[in-house]
Amino acid sequence: KQEVTQIPAALSVPEGENLVLNCSFTDSAIYNLQWFRQDPGKGLTSLLLIQSSQREQTSGRLNASLDKSSGRSTLYIAASQPGDSATYLCAVLQGAQKLVFGQGTRLTINP
Amino acid sequence: DTAVSQTPKYLVTQMGNDKSIKCEQNLGHDTMYWYKQDSKKFLKIMFSYNNKELIINETVPNRFSPKSPDKAHLNLHINSLELGDSAVYFCASSQNDGSYIQYFGAGTRLSVL
Repeated sequence: KQEVTQIPAALSVPEGENLVLNCSFTDSAIYNLQWFRQDPGKGLTSLLLIQSSQREQTSGRLNASLDKSSGRSTLYIAASQPGDSATYLCAVLQGAQKLVFGQGTRLTINP
Repeated sequence: DTAVSQTPKYLVTQMGNDKSIKCEQNLGHDTMYWYKQDSKKFLKIMFSYNNKELIINETVPNRFSPKSPDKAHLNLHINSLELGDSAVYFCASSQNDGSYIQYFGAGTRLSVL
């Protein structure tokens, strides 16, 4: 049974810092891995998707890496801003389009 | 134009009642999903439908019954609501194009009193 774990559960950093969020998964038989952002009272916004054959994806200040063999992914956020404050969710896609989520990292960027 | 829309946004009801949550997507996607996010913010899949056919049915009480009248709609009906059903329910959709990116609605916060 796939289990996805995110560390840390919460993170608070001053504005401008670079930071790394971690995600690990127990079963490497995945189709892809996605990082989502969830704002309070809102739905999920897909930030980056890495196919199982890829090693990383970049979008603006965000860079996500995937090491499928070790069951790990990281989300790197450069030059953090207060608007980056949200909960970040990692999810892996398994057969039959089943997304398995981690419990999220609640990120606070302090001005 | 909202891509995946759910109604209602908030639902407060008494134990034992029956309620429905509606979901519509205007993205032309083939697959739709229902997820439950509990009080600890853990998101878990409940159901998925592909072209109106059920393809995922996780261990969910049979008080929960999804209905897909067409591929743009996936409604969730819940019978005999219990306190433990209180959660945020998210609808999502995706296209079968190899990317499998799922697009989520804003969620329905269900409170059972």
